[in-house]
Amino acid sequence: GNSVTQMEGPVTLSEEAFLTINCTYTATGYPSLFWYVQYPGEGLQLLLKATKADDKGSNKGFEATYRKETTSFHLEKGSVQVSDSAVYFCALIQTGNQFYFGTGTSLTVIP
Amino acid sequence: DTAVSQTPKYLVTQMGNDKSIKCEQNLGHDTMYWYKQDSKKFLKIMFSYNNKELIINETVPNRFSPKSPDKAHLNLHINSLELGDSAVYFCASSQDIAGSYNEQFFGPGTRLTVL
Repeated sequence: GNSVTQMEGPVTLSEEAFLTINCTYTATGYPSLFWYVQYPGEGLQLLLKATKADDKGSNKGFEATYRKETTSFHLEKGSVQVSDSAVYFCALIQTGNQFYFGTGTSLTVIP
Repeated sequence: DTAVSQTPKYLVTQMGNDKSIKCEQNLGHDTMYWYKQDSKKFLKIMFSYNNKELIINETVPNRFSPKSPDKAHLNLHINSLELGDSAVYFCASSQDIAGSYNEQFFGPGTRLTVL
């Protein structure tokens, strides 16, 4: 079956630190992969996506590369800001329109 | 313009009551969803409707009943509310394009508290 595994949080970083949030997936075919972000008190917003192997999604300084060989889609940012504090969800979609979300990773960035 | 809207934003009610949460999307999407997010931020899909027809119905109590009067609306009715129903409920929508996997657009959420 399909599933997504994210690193457990919470993650606390100082401003300008490097961020990695690990995400691995299990899927029977060739899914599309997504990172969503949920800011406090809000709904989820799409952060970036990649639809095929070796694609790199990027947005707002965040990047993730679709690695088929390691079934991973790790989220990275070179220099985090306080405003990046949020919960990040890795997700995949394969057949139909059903998303499979990871458990979410809470990030807090301190000044 | 709000793409996916939900009402109410907050709902506080007593155990045993019946309540509804409304969702509307103005994106012209074919598919709408309801998710439940618990206190640990875990997100679980509950229902999915495509063009007013139920296509995903995960294992949720039958006290939860979705209603889709038209393609732009998917309401969630909950009977006999229990303490464990306290959560944030998110509505979402996506466009159903053949051969393509499409992002879901989420509403702002409804925080339900059952006392």
